Amino acid sequence: EAEVAQSPRYKITEKSQAVAFWCDPISGHATLYWYRQILGQGPELLVQFQDESVVDDSQLPKDRFSAERLKGVDSTLKIQPAELGDSAMYLCASSPMGYEQYFGPGTRLTVT
Amino acid sequence: GEDVEQSLFLSVREGDSSVINCTYTDSSSTYLYWYKQEPGAGLQLLTYIFSNMDMKQDQRLTVLLNKKDKHLSLRIADTQTGDSAIYFCAEIPNTDKLIFGTGTRLQVFP
Repeated sequence: EAEVAQSPRYKITEKSQAVAFWCDPISGHATLYWYRQILGQGPELLVQFQDESVVDDSQLPKDRFSAERLKGVDSTLKIQPAELGDSAMYLCASSPMGYEQYFGPGTRLTVT
Repeated sequence: GEDVEQSLFLSVREGDSSVINCTYTDSSSTYLYWYKQEPGAGLQLLTYIFSNMDMKQDQRLTVLLNKKDKHLSLRIADTQTGDSAIYFCAEIPNTDKLIFGTGTRLQVFP
Protein backbone atom coordinates (compact mmCIF):
# COMPACT_ATOMS: atom_id res chain seq x y z
CA GLU A 1 0.00 0.00 0.00
CA ALA A 2 1.41 3.40 -1.02
CA GLU A 3 2.30 5.75 1.80
CA VAL A 4 3.45 9.32 2.30
CA ALA A 5 7.14 9.35 3.24
CA GLN A 6 8.73 11.94 5.52
CA SER A 7 12.24 12.46 6.79
CA PRO A 8 13.75 12.84 9.22
CA ARG A 9 11.41 11.28 11.77
CA TYR A 10 13.03 13.21 14.61
CA LYS A 11 15.07 16.39 14.66
CA ILE A 12 16.67 18.22 17.53
CA THR A 13 18.10 21.63 16.78
CA GLU A 14 19.23 24.68 18.67
CA LYS A 15 17.31 27.91 18.38
CA SER A 16 18.48 30.22 15.60
CA GLN A 17 19.61 27.24 13.51
CA ALA A 18 18.09 26.26 10.18
CA VAL A 19 16.13 23.05 9.79
CA ALA A 20 14.51 21.33 6.81
CA PHE A 21 11.94 18.59 6.43
CA TRP A 22 11.26 16.48 3.37
CA CYS A 23 8.06 14.87 2.13
CA ASP A 24 7.37 12.46 -0.72
CA PRO A 25 3.64 12.14 -1.38
CA ILE A 26 1.78 9.12 -2.68
CA SER A 27 2.50 8.76 -6.39
CA GLY A 28 -0.03 10.59 -8.53
CA HIS A 29 -1.36 12.81 -5.76
CA ALA A 30 -1.41 16.35 -7.08
CA THR A 31 -2.23 18.06 -3.79
CA LEU A 32 0.29 18.21 -0.97
CA TYR A 33 -0.16 19.73 2.49
CA TRP A 34 2.13 20.64 5.37
CA TYR A 35 0.59 20.75 8.84
CA ARG A 36 1.96 21.66 12.25
CA GLN A 37 0.66 19.80 15.28
CA ILE A 38 1.47 21.20 18.70
CA LEU A 39 1.33 18.66 21.52
CA GLY A 40 -2.24 18.17 22.73
CA GLN A 41 -3.83 19.86 19.73
CA GLY A 42 -5.11 18.96 16.30
CA PRO A 43 -3.02 19.65 13.19
CA GLU A 44 -3.16 23.12 11.63
CA LEU A 45 -2.50 23.75 7.96
CA LEU A 46 0.66 25.65 7.12
CA VAL A 47 0.72 25.40 3.34
CA GLN A 48 -1.12 23.65 0.52
CA PHE A 49 0.29 22.91 -2.95
CA GLN A 50 -1.55 21.98 -6.10
CA ASP A 51 1.17 20.47 -8.26
CA GLU A 52 4.02 22.98 -7.92
CA SER A 53 1.84 25.97 -7.09
CA VAL A 54 1.00 27.28 -3.64
CA VAL A 55 -2.77 27.32 -3.12
CA ASP A 56 -2.88 28.43 0.51
CA ASP A 57 -0.05 29.66 2.70
CA SER A 58 -2.08 32.06 4.81
CA GLN A 59 -1.00 30.41 8.07
CA LEU A 60 2.68 30.03 7.15
CA PRO A 61 4.95 32.39 9.16
CA LYS A 62 6.72 33.65 6.10
CA ASP A 63 9.40 35.56 7.97
CA ARG A 64 10.99 32.26 8.97
CA PHE A 65 9.20 29.44 7.16
CA SER A 66 9.43 28.55 3.49
CA ALA A 67 8.08 25.67 1.44
CA GLU A 68 8.67 24.49 -2.06
CA ARG A 69 7.55 21.76 -4.41
CA LEU A 70 9.67 22.50 -7.43
CA LYS A 71 8.70 19.64 -9.75
CA GLY A 72 5.26 19.07 -8.34
CA VAL A 73 6.28 15.85 -6.63
CA ASP A 74 8.25 15.93 -3.38
CA SER A 75 8.39 18.94 -1.11
CA THR A 76 10.65 20.62 1.43
CA LEU A 77 9.62 22.75 4.41
CA LYS A 78 12.34 24.95 5.91
CA ILE A 79 12.55 26.96 9.10
CA GLN A 80 15.26 29.59 9.49
CA PRO A 81 15.91 30.58 12.18
CA ALA A 82 14.20 28.05 14.43
CA GLU A 83 12.59 29.33 17.63
CA LEU A 84 11.62 27.48 20.81
CA GLY A 85 7.95 27.81 19.91
CA ASP A 86 8.50 25.86 16.70
CA SER A 87 8.80 22.61 18.65
CA ALA A 88 5.99 20.46 17.28
CA MET A 89 5.16 17.57 14.96
CA TYR A 90 5.29 18.53 11.30
CA LEU A 91 2.97 16.41 9.20
CA CYS A 92 2.81 16.08 5.46
CA ALA A 93 -0.32 14.84 3.69
CA SER A 94 -1.27 14.23 0.09
CA SER A 95 -4.54 13.92 -1.72
CA PRO A 96 -5.69 12.71 -5.12
CA MET A 97 -8.84 14.79 -5.20
CA GLY A 98 -8.88 17.09 -2.19
CA TYR A 99 -11.39 15.43 0.07
CA GLU A 100 -9.28 12.44 1.14
CA GLN A 101 -6.00 13.36 2.76
CA TYR A 102 -3.41 10.74 3.62
CA PHE A 103 -0.80 11.59 6.20
CA GLY A 104 2.81 10.64 6.58
CA PRO A 105 4.39 9.59 9.90
CA GLY A 106 5.52 13.14 10.68
CA THR A 107 8.74 14.78 11.82
CA ARG A 108 9.01 15.53 15.52
CA LEU A 109 11.00 18.77 15.93
CA THR A 110 12.51 19.79 19.25
CA VAL A 111 14.15 23.20 19.45
CA THR A 112 16.48 23.70 22.42
CA GLY B 1 -16.51 30.67 12.30
CA GLU B 2 -14.60 27.44 12.11
CA ASP B 3 -14.45 25.45 15.32
CA VAL B 4 -14.54 21.72 15.98
CA GLU B 5 -15.00 20.54 19.56
CA GLN B 6 -14.44 17.16 21.13
CA SER B 7 -14.31 15.79 24.65
CA LEU B 8 -10.74 15.18 25.72
CA PHE B 9 -10.85 11.71 27.14
CA LEU B 10 -12.83 8.45 26.99
CA SER B 11 -12.15 5.23 28.85
CA VAL B 12 -13.89 1.95 27.97
CA ARG B 13 -13.58 -1.71 28.83
CA GLU B 14 -12.34 -4.10 26.16
CA GLY B 15 -15.28 -5.60 24.26
CA ASP B 16 -17.63 -2.70 24.98
CA SER B 17 -18.67 -0.09 22.42
CA SER B 18 -17.01 3.31 22.34
CA VAL B 19 -18.78 6.46 21.22
CA ILE B 20 -16.70 9.54 20.45
CA ASN B 21 -18.57 12.78 19.89
CA CYS B 22 -17.79 15.93 17.97
CA THR B 23 -19.57 19.21 17.32
CA TYR B 24 -18.75 21.57 14.50
CA THR B 25 -19.94 25.05 13.65
CA ASP B 26 -19.70 25.42 9.88
CA SER B 27 -22.87 24.14 8.25
CA SER B 28 -21.29 24.49 4.81
CA SER B 29 -18.96 21.56 5.45
CA THR B 30 -19.36 18.99 2.70
CA TYR B 31 -17.29 16.20 4.24
CA LEU B 32 -16.64 15.23 7.84
CA TYR B 33 -13.84 12.92 8.86
CA TRP B 34 -12.52 10.71 11.59
CA TYR B 35 -8.76 10.24 11.91
CA LYS B 36 -6.84 8.02 14.34
CA GLN B 37 -3.41 8.92 15.72
CA GLU B 38 -1.30 6.46 17.67
CA PRO B 39 1.53 7.77 19.89
CA GLY B 40 4.32 9.37 17.90
CA ALA B 41 2.69 8.57 14.58
CA GLY B 42 0.89 10.39 11.80
CA LEU B 43 -2.85 10.45 11.27
CA GLN B 44 -4.69 7.52 9.78
CA LEU B 45 -7.89 8.24 7.87
CA LEU B 46 -10.52 5.96 9.39
CA THR B 47 -13.64 7.03 7.59
CA TYR B 48 -15.52 10.02 6.29
CA ILE B 49 -19.11 10.92 5.62
CA PHE B 50 -20.64 13.18 3.00
CA SER B 51 -22.88 15.86 4.42
CA ASN B 52 -26.02 14.55 2.72
CA MET B 53 -25.74 11.25 4.60
CA ASP B 54 -27.02 10.45 8.09
CA MET B 55 -25.04 7.30 8.73
CA LYS B 56 -22.14 5.33 7.38
CA GLN B 57 -21.02 1.91 8.56
CA ASP B 58 -17.66 0.31 7.86
CA GLN B 59 -16.98 -2.96 9.71
CA ARG B 60 -16.73 -2.05 13.42
CA LEU B 61 -17.08 1.67 12.76
CA THR B 62 -20.39 3.55 12.56
CA VAL B 63 -20.52 7.26 11.84
CA LEU B 64 -23.67 9.22 12.65
CA LEU B 65 -24.25 12.75 11.41
CA ASN B 66 -26.89 15.12 12.75
CA LYS B 67 -26.71 18.18 10.52
CA LYS B 68 -29.39 20.06 12.41
CA ASP B 69 -27.35 19.93 15.62
CA LYS B 70 -23.96 19.93 13.80
CA HIS B 71 -23.08 16.78 15.70
CA LEU B 72 -20.90 13.93 14.48
CA SER B 73 -20.19 10.70 16.32
CA LEU B 74 -17.98 7.67 15.84
CA ARG B 75 -19.04 4.38 17.35
CA ILE B 76 -16.48 1.59 17.62
CA ALA B 77 -18.06 -1.79 18.27
CA ASP B 78 -16.24 -4.48 20.27
CA THR B 79 -13.47 -2.07 21.24
CA GLN B 80 -10.01 -3.64 21.42
CA THR B 81 -6.79 -2.55 23.13
CA GLY B 82 -5.39 -1.76 19.68
CA ASP B 83 -8.06 0.91 19.36
CA SER B 84 -6.36 2.95 22.09
CA ALA B 85 -5.30 6.18 20.39
CA ILE B 86 -6.32 9.78 19.86
CA TYR B 87 -9.28 10.26 17.54
CA PHE B 88 -9.68 13.49 15.62
CA CYS B 89 -12.84 14.79 14.08
CA ALA B 90 -12.33 17.11 11.09
CA GLU B 91 -14.42 19.10 8.65
CA ILE B 92 -13.88 20.82 5.32
CA PRO B 93 -15.91 24.03 5.24
CA ASN B 94 -16.16 26.17 2.14
CA THR B 95 -12.59 27.33 2.64
CA ASP B 96 -11.51 23.87 1.41
CA LYS B 97 -9.18 23.70 4.38
CA LEU B 98 -9.34 20.71 6.71
CA ILE B 99 -10.17 21.88 10.25
CA PHE B 100 -9.38 19.46 13.07
CA GLY B 101 -10.78 19.17 16.55
CA THR B 102 -8.52 18.90 19.59
CA GLY B 103 -8.79 15.13 19.65
CA THR B 104 -10.29 12.56 22.04
CA ARG B 105 -7.92 10.19 23.77
CA LEU B 106 -9.49 6.72 23.90
CA GLN B 107 -8.13 4.38 26.53
CA VAL B 108 -9.21 0.73 26.43
CA PHE B 109 -8.67 -1.33 29.55
CA PRO B 110 -8.95 -5.13 29.92
